[in-house]
Amino acid sequence: DAMVIQNPRYQVTQFGKPVTLSCSQTLNHNVMYWYQQKSSQAPKLLFHYYDKDFNNEADTPDNFQSRRPNTSFCFLDIRSPGLGDAAMYLCATSASKYYNEQFFGPGTRLTVL
Amino acid sequence: SQQGEEDPQALSIQEGENATMNCSYKTSINNLQWYRQNSGRGLVHLILIRSNEREKHSGRLRVTLDTSKKSSSLLITASRAADTASYFCATDPDSGGGADGLTFGKGTHLIIQP
Repeated sequence: DAMVIQNPRYQVTQFGKPVTLSCSQTLNHNVMYWYQQKSSQAPKLLFHYYDKDFNNEADTPDNFQSRRPNTSFCFLDIRSPGLGDAAMYLCATSASKYYNEQFFGPGTRLTVL
Repeated sequence: SQQGEEDPQALSIQEGENATMNCSYKTSINNLQWYRQNSGRGLVHLILIRSNEREKHSGRLRVTLDTSKKSSSLLITASRAADTASYFCATDPDSGGGADGLTFGKGTHLIIQP
């Protein structure tokens, strides 16, 4: 089945230790998104790619970076995680530039010690 | 900034009853979408309603959109225990460029009592 896969499902890192979260998709969608969701809060968009065109939200901290080496894969790099970065990170895809129904992965729950 | 606001924040009803959740937003939109999230999991798309549509149905779901009031409602009929989840509205803003991410509301946590 076509889907969005996130690895790992659970990630524990230490304060300040870089961490990379990965997302892959078999839907062949052009657009990929990364959201951050803290406990009992709404998902918040960090950035998205339309094909290889990177779009950063204005309030996304510089600590967060992303890479999309090809259509199928997208990575979220957190260069120096702080305690406030502990959250669920959700990857999503959509097929079209407009009317963008999004397909979400199961998420990666990040714990920062 | 927060775009959508769901109301109520939490709702508990008996199985078989109907559940209604409301969403208000602030800016012009291309479309509005509703998603469901089970505890600790990713979001599942339920339904998308375009800005030129007023009502849409999908199975036991009915969504309305009133662009003049900048509001939407999600009705789940004949609720089941499996409907227990958080429900989020999300808006696709009419910024002219397309492909922008969605702006989610804070969600309504729905509990269906057996």
